[in-house]
Amino acid sequence: QVQLVQSGAEVKKPGASVSVSCRASGYGFTDYLIHWVRQAPGQGLEWMGWISLKSGGASSAPKFKGRVTMTRDTSISTAFMELSGLRSDDTALYYCVREGDTSSGGAFDLWGQGTMVTVSS
Amino acid sequence: EIVLTQSPGTLSLSPGERAMFSCRTSQSVKSQYLAWYQQKPGQAPRLLIYGVSSRATGIPDRFSGSGSGTDFTLTISRLEPEDFAVYYCQQFGTTPWTFGQGTKLEIK
Repeated sequence: QVQLVQSGAEVKKPGASVSVSCRASGYGFTDYLIHWVRQAPGQGLEWMGWISLKSGGASSAPKFKGRVTMTRDTSISTAFMELSGLRSDDTALYYCVREGDTSSGGAFDLWGQGTMVTVSS
Repeated sequence: EIVLTQSPGTLSLSPGERAMFSCRTSQSVKSQYLAWYQQKPGQAPRLLIYGVSSRATGIPDRFSGSGSGTDFTLTISRLEPEDFAVYYCQQFGTTPWTFGQGTKLEIK
């Protein structure tokens, strides 16, 4: 089954870091890019960055530069996103998303189930 | 960054009616880099339309997309009960990729 399965919910204190994992199955892991998108409670979607699962190259949105680190472990078909210096406004549902190939025009064609990160003192 | 403005914020319609969602961008977007997503409560978004007008795999033909430049539209020709959800447009031609704020389609 083609899917992205993310790690479970996290509760963190302000200033801490959080790591979210995203395991791919059912397709060629390194053939695609993975993006990270977050959604604050009751709000819209916000793109954070992408990582090439083949090369490990990554790029993040200016808003997150210096705070987000994206990595992958090809041996376990898993991508990771670490966000540091957590603030209360980082409380959100974090999604990993596959960038589709030409059959979906490069749009986001496969989404993980989301990982809720709550930042609270 | 390119700002996407969706309207209306909320659309109240009945099953069987036609729904039209607008997405306006602050700069011109290359057509192949405009997509639409549907999100139901408690679920991840689902890709509906890519490249302005191409339906994603498994998407019914009552969903269609159109537009160019800075003005794009998603149309649902005849609403089914399962179509009531939030709809987002997205551009992914210029970093940072950006989404509209969403339009909620509710049952009238």
